[in-house]
Amino acid sequence: AQTVTQSQPEMSVQEAETVTLSCTYDTSESDYYLFWYKQPPSRQMILVIRQEAYKQQNATENRFSVNFQKAAKSFSLKISDSQLGDAAMYFCAYRSAIAGNNRKLIWGLGTSLAVNP
Amino acid sequence: SAVISQKPSRDICQRGTSLTIQCQVDSQVTMMFWYRQQPGQSLTLIATANQGSEATYESGFVIDKFPISRPNLTFSTLTVSNMSPEDSSIYLCSVDTTGALGDTQYFGPGTRLTVL
Repeated sequence: AQTVTQSQPEMSVQEAETVTLSCTYDTSESDYYLFWYKQPPSRQMILVIRQEAYKQQNATENRFSVNFQKAAKSFSLKISDSQLGDAAMYFCAYRSAIAGNNRKLIWGLGTSLAVNP
Repeated sequence: SAVISQKPSRDICQRGTSLTIQCQVDSQVTMMFWYRQQPGQSLTLIATANQGSEATYESGFVIDKFPISRPNLTFSTLTVSNMSPEDSSIYLCSVDTTGALGDTQYFGPGTRLTVL
């Protein structure tokens, strides 16, 4: 069974600085998707970034980028130029891309990010 | 991405009562999902709701406690029945997407339920 591990329960960063949140996963599959979701205090779960495992290139969305290391099964999120609005809980998630397999999202336990002014 | 709304956004209920949560999507979707998020925890999938068929429940969740309806491709409801304080959680619905970002789930704003 697939698992997702976020080893940092809490992180903090100074405004305008860069922070990296770590995520590792375990799977025997070769085709899958990885996601980072953000959940601010409003509790809305917001998609931050999506990575397809067969793509070598790391996904980027404005100030958010990932470092996807398939062999190491690592999927870290880098937030550049951190803003106060980035303060939230961040969840890493895995989803199989193989038709017929269990394709529900597998979630990490989350990392709470604080942004200090 | 889909625009998803949920009603109510929050509620405080007495034990033994039931609450029905509504989830509305602005486009037709095949699969809708219901999650529970207990305080300080990650998300737990309750069930998958497909239009025209019975919902598929995850281990630990049963239809008598969490009946789900899916009358069409844009709407679903989750009922939390015979509530106890342990049901106090955030309940979220999500939908699968198609197109360029297929296989991505988008979430509604959630319903915060407190059971006294």
